[in-house]
Amino acid sequence: QVQLVQSGAEVKSPGASLKVSCKSSGYTFTSYAVHWVRLAPGQRLEWMGWIKTDNGDTEYSRKLQGRVTFTRDSSASTVYMQLSSLMSEDTAVYYCAISGYYLYYFDYWGQGTLVTVSS
Amino acid sequence: DIQMTQSPSSVSASVGDRVNITCRASQGISSWLAWHQQKPGMAPKLLIYAASTLQDGVPSRFSGSGFGTDFTLTISSLQPEDFATYFCQQANTFPLTFGQGTKVEIK
Repeated sequence: QVQLVQSGAEVKSPGASLKVSCKSSGYTFTSYAVHWVRLAPGQRLEWMGWIKTDNGDTEYSRKLQGRVTFTRDSSASTVYMQLSSLMSEDTAVYYCAISGYYLYYFDYWGQGTLVTVSS
Repeated sequence: DIQMTQSPSSVSASVGDRVNITCRASQGISSWLAWHQQKPGMAPKLLIYAASTLQDGVPSRFSGSGFGTDFTLTISSLQPEDFATYFCQQANTFPLTFGQGTKVEIK
């Protein structure tokens, strides 16, 4: 069965960087793109962007452009999300999710990674 | 960006009740809409895509309707396992955007 398994919870200081992984199994890794979505306390879900796992192309939300980077390791069926210059407003649960390349429905989601940014 | 307005934010209902949740897009999105369910501590789950198509394995008591800007998720007869948070997602244009969620609680 399809599984997206994310790395564990993190506590970071303001100004630090974060790297969260999302390991895929149960399907051909390059058949789906991977999106990152976050849910901050009291907010609605926020789309951060996506990476096409076949060629590595990325697109980021305007809000996070310049601070966020998605990479992939096809040999490990894993996608990584890096977020730099962390602020308290980045405290959230971060999710990876997969969709087709032309249909942007999230067929499967990861379990989420809680990230707390606090001094 | 396309704004998604979901209502109500919460609803109290009993087992067997019919529940309707609505989602309105700030501009037309054709049928590019999905509904997801999330239970506490678990990954979200896709229920409906293309506004009205049930994802494989989703019970038929769930249904979706709508086109353009107005959409509805209906649970025809609420079951104990349906108490969860539901949110809509537009899949028309980047950035993808979401409704604020509807928590379905036990009455």
